[in-house]
Amino acid sequence: SAVISQKPSRDICQRGTSLTIQCQVDSQVTMMFWYRQQPGQSLTLIATANQGSEATYESGFVIDKFPISRPNLTFSTLTVSNMSPEDSSIYLCSVEDPYGYTFGSGTRLTVV
Amino acid sequence: DAKTTQPPSMDCAEGRAANLPCNHSTISGNEYVYWYRQIHSQGPQYIIHGLKNNETNEMASLIITEDRKSSTLILPHATLRDTAVYYCIVTLKYSGAGSYQLTFGKGTKLSVIP
Repeated sequence: SAVISQKPSRDICQRGTSLTIQCQVDSQVTMMFWYRQQPGQSLTLIATANQGSEATYESGFVIDKFPISRPNLTFSTLTVSNMSPEDSSIYLCSVEDPYGYTFGSGTRLTVV
Repeated sequence: DAKTTQPPSMDCAEGRAANLPCNHSTISGNEYVYWYRQIHSQGPQYIIHGLKNNETNEMASLIITEDRKSSTLILPHATLRDTAVYYCIVTLKYSGAGSYQLTFGKGTKLSVIP
């Protein structure tokens, strides 16, 4: 299965600032997915990123708040913009592969 | 994607088999049953998947009922490291030509007791 490197693993940020999370895959993949996991909750899909086109966002998530880049078939970034304490969550990227879906180890974000 | 129902929590004695049930009564004919687990503070980990036949790999066994409306994940000899949240997800299978997103429910929190 694919191997994903996600950075940073954790960060503490001031409200009103932005954080960009990187996701690097060791193989070329068509789709990359970004999830959010709020404290004590399950995973919620934020958006799907296809190389060469704009990301597709799920209900409740907008591009201005969570801009995504997908410059090539092995890399994607998610930015959490104008952060508030409610954005404190674990953010995970995922890719589809023949064995199912592989997930990064996540970025634990705390907004103070 | 079909909706799944799992018990919120289960306990299992270390060394015993852990049997985690999942109901998916609205599953459609071309949807697969996938199981993932999430150990605290890590990303979800793929365990196993199946369509209608029982499946076994080095991690677990998957038993799917004949009507496909429910399934059971079996960890044959649970260890403390198997303590995690286990998610049962029904979705179309990877084809390489498109994407079929995973919809996570609340899962079952399995606690393996020494």
